[in-house]
Amino acid sequence: GQQLNQSPQSMFIQEGEDVSMNCTSSSIFNTWLWYKQDPGEGPVLLIALYKAGELTSNGRLTAQFGITRKDSFLNISASIPSDVGIYFCAGQLEKSSGDKLTFGTGTRLAVRP
Amino acid sequence: GAGVSQSPSNKVTEKGKDVELRCDPISGHTALYWYRQSLGQGLEFLIYFQGNSAPDKSGLPSDRFSAERTGGSVSTLTIQRTQQEDSAVYLCASSLAGFSPLHFGNGTRLTVT
Repeated sequence: GQQLNQSPQSMFIQEGEDVSMNCTSSSIFNTWLWYKQDPGEGPVLLIALYKAGELTSNGRLTAQFGITRKDSFLNISASIPSDVGIYFCAGQLEKSSGDKLTFGTGTRLAVRP
Repeated sequence: GAGVSQSPSNKVTEKGKDVELRCDPISGHTALYWYRQSLGQGLEFLIYFQGNSAPDKSGLPSDRFSAERTGGSVSTLTIQRTQQEDSAVYLCASSLAGFSPLHFGNGTRLTVT
């Protein structure tokens, strides 16, 4: 089945640093999404990307839909303690396969105070 | 408006017992999904309902797992003869049709003893 490789698996950063994580796929997606999950809660959508090459920002977050449609990255600028959590990428398959998302394995972010 | 609501939030059951998990999607959302998240892992797709179409059950791990969606709204995920490996957080999500982003509930944490 579909595989989404997300890296890094975990990272510690100093408050104020920039963070970068990425996601690669063996197949093409029409949509890339980035979610954040806090402990005890469901994932919350951060950014949605719908076109190859699209670069979208949401506050300190920036994400890009790779031109090959097989990858995406998420950048967080000037990290703060509340950025701690697990970040998931997700791809949505070709419409003929339905709308379900395939998720990456997550990047666990911890901030050093 | 209200988000996706799941109940119970926590469930502890004995091995071999049946359990039912409930999901109330966002009003007006025609698509409903169940995912499973094991400790420290990503999200594993289980089943997907879209309107009146036949559900996509391709992610159900065994015939002990089943799900229904009544009246195009509330969904129930049933696990029969629970096993310890069924212990996980079961997440429900809903979306508008056509590649709209998923909105997740906070999940049901199932523990099989």
